[in-house]
Amino acid sequence: DTGVSQDPRHKITKRGQNVTFRCDPISEHNRLYWYRQTLGQGPEFLTYFQNEAQLEKSRLLSDRFSAERPKGSFSTLEIQRTEQGDSAMYLCASELVRGWGTDTQYFGPGTRLTVL
Amino acid sequence: KNEVEQSPQNLTAQEGEFITINCSYSVGISALHWLQQHPGGGIVSLFMLSSGKKKHGRLIATINIQEKHSSLHITASHPRDSAVYICAVSSPLNSGGGADGLTFGKGTHLIIQP
Repeated sequence: DTGVSQDPRHKITKRGQNVTFRCDPISEHNRLYWYRQTLGQGPEFLTYFQNEAQLEKSRLLSDRFSAERPKGSFSTLEIQRTEQGDSAMYLCASELVRGWGTDTQYFGPGTRLTVL
Repeated sequence: KNEVEQSPQNLTAQEGEFITINCSYSVGISALHWLQQHPGGGIVSLFMLSSGKKKHGRLIATINIQEKHSSLHITASHPRDSAVYICAVSSPLNSGGGADGLTFGKGTHLIIQP
C-alpha cells in the first residue's frame, strides 16, 4: 500500500454514460497526476495539479475529460459520453515537490474502466 | 517529446540469474524512474535517479546522462521478482508536452522460473 487510494477499483459502463473517478493522495503531497494505461502499454500522462491548480494537460485529454482538485487534496477525473476507446486503467500518483524539482511519485492501485 | 525505449520487451530467466533491463531516451531529462508493476496494476517506484548509481537490496540502477541510457540490474533473481519493469523519465520544466508528467517506456515483462 503506497498511501494513495483510488475509487472505484473497477467500473463497467455503457457507451455514452458519464463516469467519475476519485483519487486520494498522500496527505501532505502537493502534486497529483493522472495517467492512463491501456493493455500491454506503458502509462501515458493525462494531467497534473500543483495544489489546486491544474498546470498541464496532455493532448490525449479530449474535451470529454475534466479533472478537478478543489481543495488541493483529493482529485476527481470525469469522462463524459464515454466511448469504447476510453476503456483503460486510470492511474493516479502523488508527489511531494519542494521548489520546482521533481521527486518520487507514489501510485494508487488504479481504476479499471470498461466501456461496453 | 521524449521517446523512451526499453529492451528486452520480454525476459524469462532461471532463479539466481543476473538480470539486466535497458532503457534509452531521446532528449535531456531531469530524472529517470524505474517502476515495478505487478499483475492487477499496482505500480511501485523502485528508483529515481539523475546521475550515477543507486542500490537497494538486490536491485541496482545506473544512468549515463551523456549516452541517455539507464540500466536496471537484479542480482540473485527470485520468482517473486516476476513483474513488469517500467522505465520513465521526467522532462525539464517548460519543455512542453506534459513537462512534469512522466513519459513511460512500454515495460519489460520479466518472468523468473524456479
